[in-house]
Amino acid sequence: SQTIHQWPATLVQPVGSPLSLECTVEGTSNPNLYWYRQAAGRGLQLLFYSVGIGQISSEVPQNLSASRPQDRQFILSSKKLLLSDSGFYLCAWGNSGGLQPQHFGDGTRLSIL
Amino acid sequence: QKEVEQNSGPLSVPEGAIASLNCTYSDRGSQSFFWYRQYSGKSPELIMFIYSNGDKEDGRFTAQLNKASQYVSLLIRDSQPSDSATYLCAVNYSGGYNKLIFGAGTRLAVHP
Repeated sequence: SQTIHQWPATLVQPVGSPLSLECTVEGTSNPNLYWYRQAAGRGLQLLFYSVGIGQISSEVPQNLSASRPQDRQFILSSKKLLLSDSGFYLCAWGNSGGLQPQHFGDGTRLSIL
Repeated sequence: QKEVEQNSGPLSVPEGAIASLNCTYSDRGSQSFFWYRQYSGKSPELIMFIYSNGDKEDGRFTAQLNKASQYVSLLIRDSQPSDSATYLCAVNYSGGYNKLIFGAGTRLAVHP
C-alpha cells in the first residue's frame, strides 16, 4: 500500500531563517505531488504541484520554492522566512492521469517568531 | 477563478441524527468530487468520492451529486461524537494536472 511521510511534524523558526520541508511517498511510481498551506481556521491553499522529476508548477507568487529531485521526493524551501509563512504545511500525492483523489501526509506546523 | 463554497458552520446535530453537509462549485467542467474529514490539528483524510450524478453510499456516509445544479452533499447517518470534525469538499479542476479545488470546510459538532 502507498504511504506518505512528511517531516518534521512541528517547526519553530525565526524570521529570516531558511526552511526545508521534505515529503516522500512509498508504494507508487510517478505520482503527482502537491504542497498546500492551511492558515489557522482556513481552507487549503495549493502552493506547488509536480507531475514529474524536476517539473514544478507554482500556484501563487510567494517566498517559497519547491523541488522534486527524485520521483517520490518533494521538498519545500525558503531562503528567508517571513512572519506570513506561518501555517500548517501539507504534502499530498495522487495517481497521475484520470480523476484521482489526493492523499495527505501528517503535515508540518510551522511557527515563525 | 474556480471556487468551491461551503457553509463554515458550526453545524450542530444530536448524536444519532443525520448530518447534512453541502457544497457548491463553479467549474462546470469538474468531473470528480471528494469529501475529506479533518480533525482539529490533523491532516485531511479522504472519506468519500463520487463521479456520477446520484447517490453513493459507503457505510454511514452517502455522497450526493447533481452536476446540473453544481451541487455536492454528504450525509452522515447515525452521527457520533467521533464524527465531530471539519469536512472539506474538493472538486477537480477541469483545466488538468489533477488539481483539486478545496472549499474552506464545514465544522460539524455532534453532541451527546
